[in-house]
Amino acid sequence: DTAVSQTPKYLVTQMGNDKSIKCEQNLGHDTMYWYKQDSKKFLKIMFSYNNKELIINETVPNRFSPKSPDKAHLNLHINSLELGDSAVYFCASSQEAEVPYNEQFFGPGTRLTVL
Amino acid sequence: AQSVTQLGSHVSVSEGALVLLRCNYSSSVPPYLFWYVQYPNQGLQLLLKYTSAATLVKGINGFEAEFKKSETSFHLTKPSAHMRDAAEYFCAVIQAHGGSNYKLTFGKGTLLTVNP
Repeated sequence: DTAVSQTPKYLVTQMGNDKSIKCEQNLGHDTMYWYKQDSKKFLKIMFSYNNKELIINETVPNRFSPKSPDKAHLNLHINSLELGDSAVYFCASSQEAEVPYNEQFFGPGTRLTVL
Repeated sequence: AQSVTQLGSHVSVSEGALVLLRCNYSSSVPPYLFWYVQYPNQGLQLLLKYTSAATLVKGINGFEAEFKKSETSFHLTKPSAHMRDAAEYFCAVIQAHGGSNYKLTFGKGTLLTVNP
């Protein structure tokens, strides 16, 4: 069984469109994350949710809006897509955000290409 | 603020040779440090982590890392490289983010290639 899954795996779209990426984890974790990995493989956190509550927002443009309908899901909606949004987006989850050394489990990634 | 620096964006070794991937940290408090591996077209997987219990940390797939406070380093090693070790390796440090929340801050990654 896949622990952290993301859909779609690939997303190709035009500038200006709105798109969503979905993430689900079946690990029973309390905390979920979105990361962006750019073309140089640099990985940076975007958002973190704990029990459906936003706890980290790393100065991401407000075109990006995460939504957590329940503890097992964290979706990412992006409005008015720009060329610079092209990247691989990773979802991750962990137990207990308050414990700093808990392992984060990553999904397989969604490669977004904006044309 | 805590950060990590990975020295060398690309390391190439022969199969069977020693693997050494370098990571130095900057932290005003005792850090929690991690090494993650990313195989091609996959997500990240934890190799090992340092939580101050022991300075020599053993991880999966034969990797280990030693925390050296005097050198502010947490280098990753493996005695004998295998073709399947070819991947991108990320060093990361936990950083406090207000109250009791924490976030992972990653280094820029080191691509390991293994030559037959």
